[in-house]
Amino acid sequence: TQLLEQSPQFLSIQEGENLTVYCNSSSVFSSLQWYRQEPGEGPVLLVTVVTGGEVKKLKRLTFQFGDARKDSSLHITAAQPGDTGLYLCAGAPGNQFYFGTGTSLTVIP
Amino acid sequence: DAGITQSPRHKVTETGTPVTLRCHQTENHRYMYWYRQDPGHGLRLIHYSYGVKDTDKGEVSDGYSVSRSKTEDFLLTLESATSSQTSVYFCAISEGGVGGTQYFGPGTRLTVL
Repeated sequence: TQLLEQSPQFLSIQEGENLTVYCNSSSVFSSLQWYRQEPGEGPVLLVTVVTGGEVKKLKRLTFQFGDARKDSSLHITAAQPGDTGLYLCAGAPGNQFYFGTGTSLTVIP
Repeated sequence: DAGITQSPRHKVTETGTPVTLRCHQTENHRYMYWYRQDPGHGLRLIHYSYGVKDTDKGEVSDGYSVSRSKTEDFLLTLESATSSQTSVYFCAISEGGVGGTQYFGPGTRLTVL
């Protein structure tokens, strides 16, 4: 069992659809980060959420940190093929950094 | 882009042979990390370093050792490679400590036959 569980593991949708990716844990995090990884490359940071209940928007991407700081969600509005990639949540509940299990998103034109 | 390089980028080796992967940074960041990435597991931390000669174990450290003799270089060694260590290995750096933003290298694909 991993510290950060993401769902769904795979998601294939049509261009223009909306989607939500979830990141859950039983541990409390002072902050959570979301990364996107494209094939053959390392992950790149999208956003960091710090305050319980916080909502951050990055163009068509909306990130929310749970009130109890144990979970987070990523909502994409009107998905585009350029959104295709592996989405990873990550955080450090103590002195080590953990990544979630990942959600592989494919947006079909 | 953060100045992080990894070498080699691809390697095929046989079970029982030693393997060393190198991570080099030009950013002078204090923290460096080695991860492995396998399907269904995201990225898992192997070892990390918080300064020259200062290292600590991560979640999946068995079978791996690391060394950091200079700020810019972090080496990952598989003393005797096994097929279960076939994976993609990523190096990362961060400036703000363990919880800070991590910047990743391009990865090394290792296959152990």
